[in-house]
Amino acid sequence: QVQLVQSGAEVKKPGASVKVSCKASGYNYINYGISWVRQVPGQGLEWLGWISADNSNTNFAQRLQGRVTMTTDTSTTTAYMELRSLKSDDTAVYYCARTVVSAAADYFDYWGQGTLVTVSS
Amino acid sequence: DIQMTQSPSSLSASVGDRVTITCRASQSISNYLNWYQQKPGKAPKLLIYAASSLQSGVPSRFSGSGSGTDFTLTISSLQPEDFATYYCQQSYSTRSFGQGTKLEI
Repeated sequence: QVQLVQSGAEVKKPGASVKVSCKASGYNYINYGISWVRQVPGQGLEWLGWISADNSNTNFAQRLQGRVTMTTDTSTTTAYMELRSLKSDDTAVYYCARTVVSAAADYFDYWGQGTLVTVSS
Repeated sequence: DIQMTQSPSSLSASVGDRVTITCRASQSISNYLNWYQQKPGKAPKLLIYAASSLQSGVPSRFSGSGSGTDFTLTISSLQPEDFATYYCQQSYSTRSFGQGTKLEI
C-alpha cells in the first residue's frame, strides 16, 4: 500500500534551517511528484511547493521563494524539503503529499503523517 | 495568484442532514478543483478531484460539482464520522487552498 513516512519533530532557533524527509513506498516512485503543504496550529493549509520525482521540475509558492529547497532521491525514494532563515511564524506541521499530475487533473492523493517544526528562541 | 474563498467558514448540522459547502475561485480554474477532509491531528484526506470525480474508497454520499469559478461539495446524508474541516484546493495555476469550512454537530 502507498505510504509516505516523514521524519520526526524538530525544534529550531530563529535564523536556523530545517530539513524534513518523506520516505515513499508502495508505488512506482518515478511516476509521481511530491508536494509540500504546511499548517500553522489551528489554521488552514498552505501549499509550499512541488517537485517532480526525477528532480527535473520544481514549482514554489511565491512567498517562500529563496528560502525553500526541495529535492528527491530516487535511489531511496525519499523527498526532502529544506527551509532556511526560519522565523517564528514558520512554526507549523509540514506535510508531504504524493501529487498526481495529468492533463485533466492535478491533486494530492496520499499524505504523510506530518512533521511538527517549532521555531523558538 | 488565484484566491479561493469557501463559504460558510463554519456550519452546524445534524446526522442525516444534507450539507453543501461552496468554493469560489477569483478567476476561472476550469475543473481543476479538489476537495479534502481533515480531522483534528490527522493529515488531510482526498475526497473529490477534478471537481466531480470521487476518490477511490470515499463513500458515495460525497459529491462535487461545478466548473469555472463556482464549485460545491455536497454530503447527502451526514454521518457521525463526517464532522471535520473541509478544504477546497485549486491546481489550475500555482496551487492554493481555500480557508476551510468546519462542520460541527
